[in-house]
Amino acid sequence: GAVVSQHPSWVICKSGTSVKIECRSLDFQATTMFWYRQFPKQSLMLMATSNEGSKATYEQGVEKDKFLINHASLTLSTLTVTSAHPEDSSFYICSAMDSQETQYFGPGTRLLVL
Amino acid sequence: AQRVTQPEKLLSVFKGAPVELKCNYSYSGSPELFWYVQYSRQRLQLLLRHISRESIKGFTADLNKGETSFHLKKPFAQEEDSAMYYCALSVPGGYNKLIFGAGTRLAVHP
Repeated sequence: GAVVSQHPSWVICKSGTSVKIECRSLDFQATTMFWYRQFPKQSLMLMATSNEGSKATYEQGVEKDKFLINHASLTLSTLTVTSAHPEDSSFYICSAMDSQETQYFGPGTRLLVL
Repeated sequence: AQRVTQPEKLLSVFKGAPVELKCNYSYSGSPELFWYVQYSRQRLQLLLRHISRESIKGFTADLNKGETSFHLKKPFAQEEDSAMYYCALSVPGGYNKLIFGAGTRLAVHP
């Protein structure tokens, strides 16, 4: 079946630094990938839609300058949390959509900002 | 605005009992509905989608447009069904982005 990977699986960083998270579709091409954020014991909240070769579409309330998304190829999207602060600590999950418009989810990346 | 409501945070049943996980949505058009499942320490995975009209692991879900519901049902719960279940809605033409409900934790006891 379709597999989506994320790297790193967890990261700890100092306040003010930037963190890049990678999302890869391993055995299929994905023109569209999605980035979600999940707080403890809460549901997934869509942050942005990432389209290969074009600018990402951000959901209302998500700062595009804070969360930079790049979808440079059909198998890779990256999310960069710039100038991270403790309130950015969360679980970030990506998904990739195949040609049947089914979303496959990555295992998530836990970010802790000190 | 589109919204998905899962009224129960926790559903606790005994093995062999019937299960119904409730999901209601608000959308004026014709959405596509999904159920996703997340087992302990595993990633989110698709359980079923309403257009497929199939049964996966004994689970079924019927889209009721009149009641704007997409409840997930299983006649006889198994311990291995214990997991977090999320109902999700996809708006046609909206990049197929998913709007998730808050989720319901199903606990099946022996």
